[in-house]
Amino acid sequence: AQSVAQPEDQVNVAEGNPLTVKCTYSVSGNPYLFWYVQYPNRGLQFLLKYITGDNLVKGSYGFEAEFNKSQTSFHLKKPSALVSDSALYFCAGRSGGYQKVTFGTGTKLQVIP
Amino acid sequence: SAVISQKPSRDICQRGTSLTIQCQVDSQVTMMFWYRQQPGQSLTLIATANQGSEATYESGFVIDKFPISRPNLTFSTLTVSNMSPEDSSIYLCSVEGQLSPTEAFFGQGTRLTVV
Repeated sequence: AQSVAQPEDQVNVAEGNPLTVKCTYSVSGNPYLFWYVQYPNRGLQFLLKYITGDNLVKGSYGFEAEFNKSQTSFHLKKPSALVSDSALYFCAGRSGGYQKVTFGTGTKLQVIP
Repeated sequence: SAVISQKPSRDICQRGTSLTIQCQVDSQVTMMFWYRQQPGQSLTLIATANQGSEATYESGFVIDKFPISRPNLTFSTLTVSNMSPEDSSIYLCSVEGQLSPTEAFFGQGTRLTVV
């Protein structure tokens, strides 16, 4: 069975500082990995994905994520956090094709002015 | 990308009643997915809906409680039947793009409160 873990329920970071939201995965075969963001009372918005190729993936709103096969991790990063980045972030993964997507438990990011 | 319209956006319902949530996509898609997000929790897949066949339900979800229709390639409905307060959640419709592999696209969700 596949699984996605987000070890931190909440991450606090000062505005302007770099941020990292952690994600580890257990997916058979070649993993397809995703990050989504959810603002209050909104649906999920896609940020970025890793399918194949470069381990560093760039996405929307200045976010990027690094795929690390040896550590089975896909951490979300941003060089300089904005207050408007405060939201709930979900990591998700699947083993490819039209297989079921498994979501992590979510990490609440709080950017402090 | 796909644009997904979900209705209603929110509702407050009496226990014992049923609510039907609609999901409309701006393009034809093979599979549509229904998720539940309970308060403060992650997304849990309820079922996968294919056009022309019965929906496939995940463990813990049954058709009598969550009947799903998929009459065509752009539309689906999820009904939450005989509701109880434990059904209070956000229900999300999701589709995948027609080219694989790709990300999933989500509707804005339906926030359901059962009183």
